[in-house]
Amino acid sequence: GESVGLHLPTLSVQEGDNSIINCAYSNSASDYFIWYKQESGKGPQFIIDIRSNMDKRQGQRVTVLLNKTVKHLSLQIAATQPGDSAVYFCAEKASNTGNQFYFGTGTSLTVIP
Amino acid sequence: NAGVTQTPKFRVLKTGQSMTLLCAQDMNHEYMYWYRQDPGMGLRLIHYSVGEGTTAKGEVPDGYNVSRLKKQNFLLGLESAAPSQTSVYFCATSTGDTEAFFGQGTRLTVV
Repeated sequence: GESVGLHLPTLSVQEGDNSIINCAYSNSASDYFIWYKQESGKGPQFIIDIRSNMDKRQGQRVTVLLNKTVKHLSLQIAATQPGDSAVYFCAEKASNTGNQFYFGTGTSLTVIP
Repeated sequence: NAGVTQTPKFRVLKTGQSMTLLCAQDMNHEYMYWYRQDPGMGLRLIHYSVGEGTTAKGEVPDGYNVSRLKKQNFLLGLESAAPSQTSVYFCATSTGDTEAFFGQGTRLTVV
């Protein structure tokens, strides 16, 4: 079956520092990856995505890196702000599994003012 | 546009009772999903649908049924609720090729 896991369940960073959240996946056929942010009491919100034909994608203050060789995904948040405090999930999808999204267990990011 | 709307937002059931959770979308997406989220765990897929009139099992389908009679609605049913089904339920929609959009969740407690 699928497995999507995160290396660290919690992460604390100082405001203004950069944050890195990691994710591992096991399906070599996964071709689409997404990072979601979930604030308390809310549904997951899309942050950034990347397809398997890319290694890196940048958004506003966020960068996603994909290493297909070791099946590893990371989310980098630049100049972390208190509003970034949330749980972050990676999700992956493979065409050979019916386009279902499989989620990791999440990393709780706390930004220290 | 409302996006993805779930009703109800909260519900308390007694063991053995039944209920239906409704997910409605105005995004014209083909794919719809039901997930459950338990403390310290990620989202686990219960059932999903790839289009009107279709349904398929996900990772944890036991104890749940779904129906997709209309493209914009995806219903999740619990025929006989159990305490193990206490969870937060999320509906999501997708084109199938891009990200999934989530509703705000339904917090269900079974006592």
